[in-house]
Amino acid sequence: EPEVTQTPSHQVTQMGQEVILRCVPISNHLYFYWYRQILGQKVEFLVSFYNNEISEKSEIFDDQFSVERPDGSNFTLKIRSTKLEDSAMYFCASSLRTSGRQETQYFGPGTRLLVL
Amino acid sequence: GESVGLHLPTLSVQEGDNSIINCAYSNSASDYFIWYKQESGKGPQFIIDIRSNMDKRQGQRVTVLLNKTVKHLSLQIAATQPGDSAVYFCAENQGSAAGNKLTFGGGTRVLVKP
Repeated sequence: EPEVTQTPSHQVTQMGQEVILRCVPISNHLYFYWYRQILGQKVEFLVSFYNNEISEKSEIFDDQFSVERPDGSNFTLKIRSTKLEDSAMYFCASSLRTSGRQETQYFGPGTRLLVL
Repeated sequence: GESVGLHLPTLSVQEGDNSIINCAYSNSASDYFIWYKQESGKGPQFIIDIRSNMDKRQGQRVTVLLNKTVKHLSLQIAATQPGDSAVYFCAENQGSAAGNKLTFGGGTRVLVKP
């Protein structure tokens, strides 16, 4: 069964450093997403991406964040200068878009980011 | 209001009994709803979904009920098994007008006692 994969599973970084989280969405999916979950809290939407551009972003997704689809399979989230409060589990998701209907979003296993 | 914090409501259920998990959603414009299961250290796993033109949908051992009048969603798990122990989240989707983003509820922890 196809699934969303993410690398790395864990990332420890120093405050102020740049990190890139990587995702490989399900191959025929067209919509891609990043969410995050701070420990003990609910899953929060960060950004959605379709047709090589951002569809929507939350207020969390400020200028320190960017997303890219560098090739036909990868989808990345970059945090330019990490802050302590960026420590969280980051989930990538993808969905198959069909003419106006919402489709199920399938989530990857997540990357646990710890900023020291 | 939103439920944010370290303490999840917990449902403790005996193995073999039925479980009912409730969720209140916030936006009357939402027209697609999903239940996800999250096991420790893993990503949310799709369980079942329902669109706003329905009030009930059944899957294998799970049933989702939607009451749009009071903006309430429930997940029923029949004959709960130890493998059902997890945190369950409801999520709402307002469709492509809102970038297809999912808004998650606070979650309910289900503990299945053998």
